[in-house]
Amino acid sequence: AQTVTQSQPEMSVQEAETVTLSCTYDTSESDYYLFWYKQPPSRQMILVIRQEAYKQQNATENRFSVNFQKAAKSFSLKISDSQLGDAAMYFCAHDSNYQLIWGAGTKLIIKP
Amino acid sequence: KAGVTQTPRYLIKTRGQQVTLSCSPISGHRSVSWYQQTPGQGLQFLFEYFSETQRNKGNFPGRFSGRQFSNSRSEMNVSTLELGDSALYLCASKIQGKRTTEAFFGQGTRLTVV
Repeated sequence: AQTVTQSQPEMSVQEAETVTLSCTYDTSESDYYLFWYKQPPSRQMILVIRQEAYKQQNATENRFSVNFQKAAKSFSLKISDSQLGDAAMYFCAHDSNYQLIWGAGTKLIIKP
Repeated sequence: KAGVTQTPRYLIKTRGQQVTLSCSPISGHRSVSWYQQTPGQGLQFLFEYFSETQRNKGNFPGRFSGRQFSNSRSEMNVSTLELGDSALYLCASKIQGKRTTEAFFGQGTRLTVV
């Protein structure tokens, strides 16, 4: 079965510092995509960053970057220069057969 | 460009009733997916439609059904509501349903069953 695991229910970071959220997954597929989504209190899911499994290079979007370790099936998200607006639930997801398979989420708290 | 629109935003129903939720995707998007989000089970896939055809269905009882219209708008229906159906129901649309395209989400419908 394809699964996504986020082992950190909650993380906190001081404003302007860097935080890393962890995600591991299990899949039998060789070609797939991995995603990090952000869900603020408004509840709308917003795509943060996307990684294509066949690309060795780690994806980067401004202050957000990933550490993709395909052999270890690990996909962590690094947020640099954390801002108050980054406070939200963060979900790691893997796509398979027209659906997204989700982790349980990590609540990120930003301390001013 | 309008985003994904889900209606209604909030809904309160009684056990045993049925409910229909609506999702209007972004103009030009042909793929619509539905997810259920609860504190206990997290995010779970319900079904995905592309050009009026259901391509995949999650592990939910037959009380949960859906459909997609020719204009790509989608509805999901839950019959004989149970307390456990209380959840946030999220809809996502994609331009073509391929892996490379981003899924855009609506703000969800919060369903409370009493």
